[in-house]
Amino acid sequence: EVYLVESGGSVGRPGGSLRLSCATSGFKFEDFDMSWVRQRPGKGLEWVSVINWNGAIRSYADSVRGRFTISRDNAKKSLFLQMNSLRADDTAVYYCAREGGYNYGYVYWGQGRLVTVSS
Amino acid sequence: SYVLSQPPSLSVAPGKTATITCGGDIIGTKSVHWYQQRPSQAPVLVIYHDNLRPSGVPERFSASNSGNMAALTISGAEVGDEADYYCQAWDSGSDHGVFGGGTKLTVL
Repeated sequence: EVYLVESGGSVGRPGGSLRLSCATSGFKFEDFDMSWVRQRPGKGLEWVSVINWNGAIRSYADSVRGRFTISRDNAKKSLFLQMNSLRADDTAVYYCAREGGYNYGYVYWGQGRLVTVSS
Repeated sequence: SYVLSQPPSLSVAPGKTATITCGGDIIGTKSVHWYQQRPSQAPVLVIYHDNLRPSGVPERFSASNSGNMAALTISGAEVGDEADYYCQAWDSGSDHGVFGGGTKLTVL
């Protein structure tokens, strides 16, 4: 069975940094692109970033480009999101997600990690 | 940037058919996926590749995609179908994923 489990910094200051991790199991991690999706309190889903299987290709939403960095460690079957220059509107639940295959939709989701940015 | 537009809310009586729309420029040329999200839970994929159901999703869920509109149809809606529903597609122009704003479905 596929598991995605987010962990990492949950409270940060404006202008500060936090790092999220997503530990995975139950599938061959290096075969799949991986993504981050977030949801601000009371709002809809927002796509944040994707990284391809070997880390060579990364894409970011305009709202986080230049501040967030997605990365992965295939040996540890883990996905990461380094969040710098945090802003109050980065407050959200962050989900790690995996598609069923290329452009098959996000079949697997983590339970989500609440990140709060506040002074 | 590519935008997907959904109605914020929709109400349907139990047993009736609910149709949730998702508008986007030539969305019919893209592969559209639909998610169901209940309060305080992670989203669940209910439709992928425009009209395919993952295993375990009831046949009451179907979808279509053509022109500038995609739609999710729930036939014989049940109280248990109350949730937020999101459409999603990939914008190859910007290499971004895109979600619609979500539709809150009420069954009463």
